[in-house]
Amino acid sequence: EAQVTQNPRYLITVTGKKLTVTCSQNMNHEYMSWYRQDPGLGLRQIYYSMNVEVTDKGDVPEGYKVSRKEKRNFPLILESPSPNQTSLYFCASSSYPYYHRLGDNEQFFGPGTRLTVL
Amino acid sequence: GQQLNQSPQSMFIQEGEDVSMNCTSSSIFNTWLWYKQDPGEGPVLLIALYKAGELTSNGRLTAQFGITRKDSFLNISASIPSDVGIYFCAGQSDGLPDDKIIFGKGTRLHILP
Repeated sequence: EAQVTQNPRYLITVTGKKLTVTCSQNMNHEYMSWYRQDPGLGLRQIYYSMNVEVTDKGDVPEGYKVSRKEKRNFPLILESPSPNQTSLYFCASSSYPYYHRLGDNEQFFGPGTRLTVL
Repeated sequence: GQQLNQSPQSMFIQEGEDVSMNCTSSSIFNTWLWYKQDPGEGPVLLIALYKAGELTSNGRLTAQFGITRKDSFLNISASIPSDVGIYFCAGQSDGLPDDKIIFGKGTRLHILP
């Protein structure tokens, strides 16, 4: 089954304790992305990756790091989490970053990781 | 930067009613997308629109790409309980780096018993 998986699904941690949220896709997609979802703000992109070893900042990258050592994995790293990073996080992947009429380029989202930083 | 204004923020309707929501921008977009997020899940693509004026249906859902390329709407006919969730519009334009898409803030749909 084609899917994007994230772990953990729920995490409560304390300020300053480094954490990693893993993301993995089994669709051989080049493009992967991390979003955070906050009430009233919708989905905002944190980082994205066009391919292995190619990553770039999204709209809200401060306080986050990512890596793309393998095509299937795109972990999100919070080196020193703070309470304002409490949010719902989504990983997504697609064949290409852009949409075109030929289709088959849907961006698939993972199930989400709810993070609380105390 | 480019922004999408999605309205309404939330809707409370009776089962069986039709629903309409829209997304507008001051910028031109080449692609409009509509997603639905069920409680506890990630967003799932409902409809993709690629051409100004295009009208596309997916079951009880109909979406249109505005002629000006600055807006789009989504209609849901004869709503049912499983329509509950958050609906996001998203757009893609040449003005955005690496062909990224941006999302509206979402419309939360509630269906009253």
